Amino acid sequence: GQNIDQPTEMTATEGAIVQINCTYQTSGFNGLFWYQQHAGEAPTFLSYNVLDGLEEKGRFSSFLSRSKGYSYLLLKELQMKDSASYLCAVRDPMTTDSWGKLQFGAGTQVVVTP
Amino acid sequence: SAVISQKPSRDICQRGTSLTIQCQVDSQVTMMFWYRQQPGQSLTLIATANQGSEATYESGFVIDKFPISRPNLTFSTLTVSNMSPEDSSIYLCSISRDRGPYEQYFGPGTRLTVT
Repeated sequence: GQNIDQPTEMTATEGAIVQINCTYQTSGFNGLFWYQQHAGEAPTFLSYNVLDGLEEKGRFSSFLSRSKGYSYLLLKELQMKDSASYLCAVRDPMTTDSWGKLQFGAGTQVVVTP
Repeated sequence: SAVISQKPSRDICQRGTSLTIQCQVDSQVTMMFWYRQQPGQSLTLIATANQGSEATYESGFVIDKFPISRPNLTFSTLTVSNMSPEDSSIYLCSISRDRGPYEQYFGPGTRLTVT
């Protein structure tokens, strides 16, 4: 199984940068995903890392260090619409009948203030 | 990405009854999943639903309580049986893209309240 830790809540002002950390302890690893979930809505896929390093997608970037069991999601030029919960999810290794299930962290609530 | 719909979007049910939730995808997919998200908490996988085979349940979830059907590659149902207030939750179906990185996409969810 996986033990996945994220901060519960972070607050930042519009236009600023926020970094959401995720640490994990795994019995196997086959990739790490970040999802965004607005209140009352379904999670939406943001990013994926399987190799060490930084993946950039517009205002959002995600970093992975497999040796440290560590990832972060970086949100730049924060906008009010970025207020949401951000979920870190680690995927188990693939088996013959599964791509590998996702284990989700508890989520980090980001509050963007004017 | 595929369009995923769920019915009903919400329901209020009495203790001891059962509710069947439907998940429809607009394209064929191999892997479908059912999750539960209790208020203020993260997602917990209930089971993986593969077409043509029995669903694979996670620890703490059993077929008698959460029977799942997967009759074809675009549709699945989850039944919450003999409900109690502890079953009040949001239930979400998701699909996995059939090629790397096999990310999951979620339906809009079914908000269930058991009284």
